[in-house]
Amino acid sequence: KAGVTQTPRYLIKTRGQQVTLSCSPISGHRSVSWYQQTPGQGLQFLFEYFSETQRNKGNFPGRFSGRQFSNSRSEMNVSTLELGDSALYLCASSWVITGQRIESNYGYTFGSGTRLTVV
Amino acid sequence: TQLLEQSPQFLSIQEGENLTVYCNSSSVFSSLQWYRQEPGEGPVLLVTVVTGGEVKKLKRLTFQFGDARKDSSLHITAAQPGDTGLYLCAGAAIQGAQKLVFGQGTRLTINP
Repeated sequence: KAGVTQTPRYLIKTRGQQVTLSCSPISGHRSVSWYQQTPGQGLQFLFEYFSETQRNKGNFPGRFSGRQFSNSRSEMNVSTLELGDSALYLCASSWVITGQRIESNYGYTFGSGTRLTVV
Repeated sequence: TQLLEQSPQFLSIQEGENLTVYCNSSSVFSSLQWYRQEPGEGPVLLVTVVTGGEVKKLKRLTFQFGDARKDSSLHITAAQPGDTGLYLCAGAAIQGAQKLVFGQGTRLTINP
């Protein structure tokens, strides 16, 4: 069973540029979440998508956006990159049980991440 | 804002010793999850504890959820070099956003 696949693994961009990261969830997983991991702040929630709709959003500026496609694959975009955006971006998928109130209790499967360096 | 405080942040011990990592909050969580992360990889789920007072064992690892569902601990007995890694606790909210709040992590080093 294939895991969560994130591409690319590494990326170097210049300040002011924009970047798009891709995530393919485990087959059958319909919820995709994105997290930013930095040494100073740890893992912080960016947003979560389910059935092509953004259900939840963290406290990040509007430069961070995402979307989900009908096959559950997701992309996140960061526009006007800043040095502080350098981080490991992690995608996580989970199995949503219809009618289950606390879906998060079932845990998440993370991808290996995309290491973004902004210079 | 829900916060999880994890301690210690760094721990370096000898092979064979026991250790405990703590995860504390003033907030109540629906569940506490523990993940382990290797360098260059994403976190891997070790366990989810859901019921207050719940204890789960995974070989030499014992996880406990506090009675009030505000804290959790991870105890490792007879630590081995293969246990080296970053251990993260994460809480799922009682209501609202389906997301995890992560602790800062404990970087564990087991010396042979």
